[in-house]
Amino acid sequence: EDQVTQSPEALRLQEGESSSLNCSYTVSGLRGLFWYRQDPGKGPEFLFTLYSAGEEKEKERLKATLTKKESFLHITAPKPEDSATYLCAVRGGFSSGSARQLTFGSGTQLTVLP
Amino acid sequence: ETGVTQSPTHLIKTRGQQVTLRCSSQSGHNTVSWYQQALGQGPQFIFQYYREEENGRGNFPPRFSGLQFPNYSSELNVNALELDDSALYLCASSLTGDLGEQYFGPGTRLTVT
Repeated sequence: EDQVTQSPEALRLQEGESSSLNCSYTVSGLRGLFWYRQDPGKGPEFLFTLYSAGEEKEKERLKATLTKKESFLHITAPKPEDSATYLCAVRGGFSSGSARQLTFGSGTQLTVLP
Repeated sequence: ETGVTQSPTHLIKTRGQQVTLRCSSQSGHNTVSWYQQALGQGPQFIFQYYREEENGRGNFPPRFSGLQFPNYSSELNVNALELDDSALYLCASSLTGDLGEQYFGPGTRLTVT
């Protein structure tokens, strides 16, 4: 069974204070690791897809990296508008029966103070 | 390009009733997946529809059922509602069922009293 654990559960940063969010995963035959941003009461917004260890993706102040066991979402010089819950999800392989679903972690709630 | 839309936005039902939630997929996407998100948790996979047939299901009982229509829109039906069914129900569309990212709609907030 695929498992995703995110840490910390909540993170408060001052504006401009860089940090990283962690996503540890267990999956049979990784077919993608996904990062989403979710604002309160709204649906998740797609950010990145990573497929293989060593891969990195960047978008504005966000950078996602992937190893064989975990992924990091690095936030550089965050702004208050970056405040949201960040969700990590994995897609497993056909042998594990999870190729058609995303398995999510519980998310990291990020608050950036001005 | 039109994104994923869901209706209604909010819904209040009584225990034991039935509910139907609706989803229109993003233009060009032929696969729809449904998720349940309890407060403070990540979304949980309910099932996926491709070409009007269910082709993947999570650990949800048979009282959760769905439909997909020729225009790729979809419905989620829940019978015999229980208090624990109170959650945000999310629809996601994608180009394929087993590869690539899924794009989520805004969700339907269901409250069961």
